[in-house]
Formats: sequence, structure tokens, C-alpha cells
Amino acid sequence: SAVISQKPSRDICQRGTSLTIQCQVDSQVTMMFWYRQQPGQSLTLIATANQGSEATYESGFVIDKFPISRPNLTFSTLTVSNMSPEDSSIYLCSVEEGGAFFGQGTRLTVV
Amino acid sequence: EDKVVQSPLSLVVHEGDTVTLNCSYEVTNFRSLLWYKQEKKAPTFLFMLTSSGIEKKSGRLSSILDKKELFSILNITATQTGDSAIYLCAVERNDMRFGAGTRLTVKP
Repeated sequence: SAVISQKPSRDICQRGTSLTIQCQVDSQVTMMFWYRQQPGQSLTLIATANQGSEATYESGFVIDKFPISRPNLTFSTLTVSNMSPEDSSIYLCSVEEGGAFFGQGTRLTVV
Repeated sequence: EDKVVQSPLSLVVHEGDTVTLNCSYEVTNFRSLLWYKQEKKAPTFLFMLTSSGIEKKSGRLSSILDKKELFSILNITATQTGDSAIYLCAVERNDMRFGAGTRLTVKP
């Protein structure tokens, strides 16, 4: 199973600012996934990040709001841009190797 | 439209009770069904099911998949307060689709 390090684990941010979340995997993986879990809701896929190509976004999520980088096969970042209180959520990165393995999650609070 | 539906959405039981959590799905390109336990932020893996009728077991937890009727159940016997969590069902296609989860509360 993959070991995933995600940081920061939590942050409190002012509205209008941006936060970049990092995800480091201990092995090379083709695809990495970014999820959001808003309070009281289940995990929702934001986008799939492939190395060497643009991320694929799910309906309701756009690159301008959630730019993603995937510079190599072990690392990805998700930026939450121009934040509003509605972006307060847990953000999780994930890889799939016979099941989904998750980073520790980032709890974001926008004030 | 693909969907993963879990029931009940919440459940309150007492220690020692047995619970059954349900997950039904309608997805294209089904590869596997997975169960997770989520206590804090990140879900932890419980089971992966790919074949119908084969029960997977881990201690007091067990799960089975019915690919004909498109559902799975997760059983927890002799529940303990430490079992209190959200239990997530996910279906693996080319990506993962999660159900809304069942919030289980086990009271002493």
C-alpha cells in the first residue's frame, strides 16, 4: 500500500486568499486524485491529476478555482483559490492501488 | 447516472448489538466495491470486494457483495464504542465513487 504525506494538516485562512495543499507519495503512481469533504457530506471527487498532462475536473469544479500541479509521479498540489467560507472543508489526496489510499487530509477553515 | 446509495444514513445502537450497513450501486465499468471507516479526516480501508458471494471477514467485521442485485452489506457484530464512525462505501470504476456514508454511533 502507498504511503501518502499531505500537508498542511489544517489551516485557517482569510477569504480572498489562496492555499496550496501538497501531497507526496512514497512510490510512483500514474494518477492521483483530489477529494473534498464538506461538513456533513461524503467525499466528492474534485479532479484527477495525471503526470505530464492537465488535470481532469469533475462537474462543478474548474481549474481557475482549483489549479492542480503534477510535476512528477510522486507529487501533486491542489490550490484553493480566492477562498470563501463555502470552501471550508476537508481536502484529501488519494492514490488507487487495489483500493484508495488517502493522505491525512487538510482541514481548511475560511473566515 | 452512476450512483452509490448507502442506508441507513445514521444508526444508533448499544454496545453488543449487531449492525448491518447497506450499499447499493448503479455504475458502469464496475471493478470493485470497497468499504472504509472514517473517524477523523482520512478514511481507513476495511474491505475490497470483487466477486459475488464471497464473504470477507476481519475480526467482528464482515462484508459480502452481490453483483447480480448490485449491493453489498457490511456487518459488525458485538459492537463497541470504538466502532462509532462513518462507514463509507465506494465503487471503483476508472475512478472512485463514494456513497454518502452511514454514521454509526455505539452507546455504552
